[in-house]
Amino acid sequence: EAGVAQSPRYKIIEKRQSVAFWCNPISGHATLYWYQQILGQGPKLLIQFQNNGVVDDSQLPKDRFSAERLKGVDSTLKIQPAKLEDSAVYLCASSLGLGGVNQPQHFGDGTRLSIL
Amino acid sequence: GQNIDQPTEMTATEGAIVQINCTYQTSGFNGLFWYQQHAGEAPTFLSYNVLDGLEEKGRFSSFLSRSKGYSYLLLKELQMKDSASYLCAVRAGGSYIPTFGRGTSLIVHP
Repeated sequence: EAGVAQSPRYKIIEKRQSVAFWCNPISGHATLYWYQQILGQGPKLLIQFQNNGVVDDSQLPKDRFSAERLKGVDSTLKIQPAKLEDSAVYLCASSLGLGGVNQPQHFGDGTRLSIL
Repeated sequence: GQNIDQPTEMTATEGAIVQINCTYQTSGFNGLFWYQQHAGEAPTFLSYNVLDGLEEKGRFSSFLSRSKGYSYLLLKELQMKDSASYLCAVRAGGSYIPTFGRGTSLIVHP
């Protein structure tokens, strides 16, 4: 089974610029997550989608971050404008359903974002 | 909120056994995950515990005590490729989304 695909793998931009990340989840997985992982820390959830609807975006900095999953499959995460503290790895994950009893999340390799 | 605590770093010798601890404080506990993450790679699922006791899966085992808010991941017959970060993640409060700890960086040396 193909895993979660993310692109780009690396991105370097200057502060105040915009950037977008793309994620294609495992086929058939209804739930998609975006995480931010700062160096030396665990992943922090930014937003969770169930099909094309938002389930939880309570930790998404909505003044600069936005995400969509228009057709319930691929998703994009955008940062506009970027700040220095946004330097991190952005991980996309998917799971079969909303979680059930023991449905693990499958993660992509992430996009490593560096802000200059 | 949840408070999840893991040691920052551990070292061990190839062939040995290592135990990585995770303590948590939460209400409405609903499951604990362990993930392995190699540098620059995605976290990969290792184990899930929701009831007290030991779950064994090959060289890796995970233990949970809900009354103590405590879990550990036990790695046997360590190999060099086991050098990675090990993330403890707790699900609680009616949410299906786990909250991750900072991770424990394990270094295995010859």
